[in-house]
Amino acid sequence: QKEVEQNSGPLSVPEGAIASLNCTYSDRGSQSFFWYRQYSGKSPELIMFIYSNGDKEDGRFTAQLNKASQYVSLLIRDSQPSDSATYLCAVAGQGSNYKLTFGKGTLLTVNP
Amino acid sequence: DTAVSQTPKYLVTQMGNDKSIKCEQNLGHDTMYWYKQDSKKFLKIMFSYNNKELIINETVPNRFSPKSPDKAHLNLHINSLELGDSAVYFCASSQVTGANVLTFGAGSRLTVL
Repeated sequence: QKEVEQNSGPLSVPEGAIASLNCTYSDRGSQSFFWYRQYSGKSPELIMFIYSNGDKEDGRFTAQLNKASQYVSLLIRDSQPSDSATYLCAVAGQGSNYKLTFGKGTLLTVNP
Repeated sequence: DTAVSQTPKYLVTQMGNDKSIKCEQNLGHDTMYWYKQDSKKFLKIMFSYNNKELIINETVPNRFSPKSPDKAHLNLHINSLELGDSAVYFCASSQVTGANVLTFGAGSRLTVL
């Protein structure tokens, strides 16, 4: 069973701080990694994806991938109350790009 | 203009009934999906179709039957509903060239009484 694990939280940070969200995966052959954000009562929406080891930055968001450790993270700089949501990590396995396996999500609360 | 639209948004029904959820996408994507999100927010894939062909069929009771009349539509029919079927069902689509980025519909919340 291929698994994606996330700390369920809730993770609470003050406004302006850096929020760090973590995800580990069991399938060593996984190829691509995604972070989705889901507001309460809404559908998931893509924040960013990453393929290669290292960092990928997009505005206030940075995804970090370490395939050797089977670990992917999302950093949110200058956190805003509007970032309060559940963050879902998703992984596409080797040879199964169609199938994304999601973690259970981490609930982030940014306090004003 | 909604990219992935699902209907209905809410369904409330009794155990044993049959219900359907419809999904349409206007993004020109080749691949469509049904995901189930339970009360603990766990999002799990159920089915996927690529150009009307079933390519993913997870361990789902055969009371669930997807149908894709064309690549822009994917419907889900559920027979003999059970309490455990209560969940939010999300339709999604993607173009699987490079990154498989899913675009989700707004979800259909099914409550079985």
